[in-house]
Amino acid sequence: DSGVTQTPKHLITATGQRVTLRCSPRSGDLSVYWYQQSLDQGLQFLIHYYNGEERAKGNILERFSAQQFPDLHSELNLSSLELGDSALYFCASSVSSAANTGELFFGEGSRLTVL
Amino acid sequence: DAKTTQPNSMESNEEEPVHLPCNHSTISGTDYIHWYRQLPSQGPEYVIHGLTSNVNNRMASLAIAEDRKSSTLILHRATLRDAAVYYCILRDANRDDKIIFGKGTRLHILP
Repeated sequence: DSGVTQTPKHLITATGQRVTLRCSPRSGDLSVYWYQQSLDQGLQFLIHYYNGEERAKGNILERFSAQQFPDLHSELNLSSLELGDSALYFCASSVSSAANTGELFFGEGSRLTVL
Repeated sequence: DAKTTQPNSMESNEEEPVHLPCNHSTISGTDYIHWYRQLPSQGPEYVIHGLTSNVNNRMASLAIAEDRKSSTLILHRATLRDAAVYYCILRDANRDDKIIFGKGTRLHILP
């Protein structure tokens, strides 16, 4: 158990809909990263938050947005869903964003299926 | 973003050592080399990291070339449980807001 909690674990929805994925980081971790993993693909970096502030964006679609709340949990909002958005979405947390100490702890992921 | 190159897949026999290579020819002086692995149906987990010197921990060893343009993750005695996708990534100590993973190496362990 990494200590990172993601909900829901599984989600099935229809094209055009909107969903929210939630991530609770490990206690005390200030950094939250979101990744998308499609079938047989690597991890695609979406966005990084540190202590409530957006730090970096990857190839995140305009239909996707995220935020980190004062209690440090984060939400990833996906709207106008398309079939191609079906994927595993991982959240990772880290106590810092320091490269020499900031080990990432990943949640078990939220599997989104768009029909 | 600094990039890494890994073989798509590798095979090894159970109870034998495994050497997983990673090339990072454009590595900068402030880049740390990190390894993660993703077991089937799980999120990735941290394995090891280093800067210049070789590193050992309970899971694996990391051998870093003298010019730092390549590194090797060593599993000393592979078990079936080590079958996973192994990711080699670079993290810049000065600018580490994006952490980019590639496709990694899928390691198959033969019983």
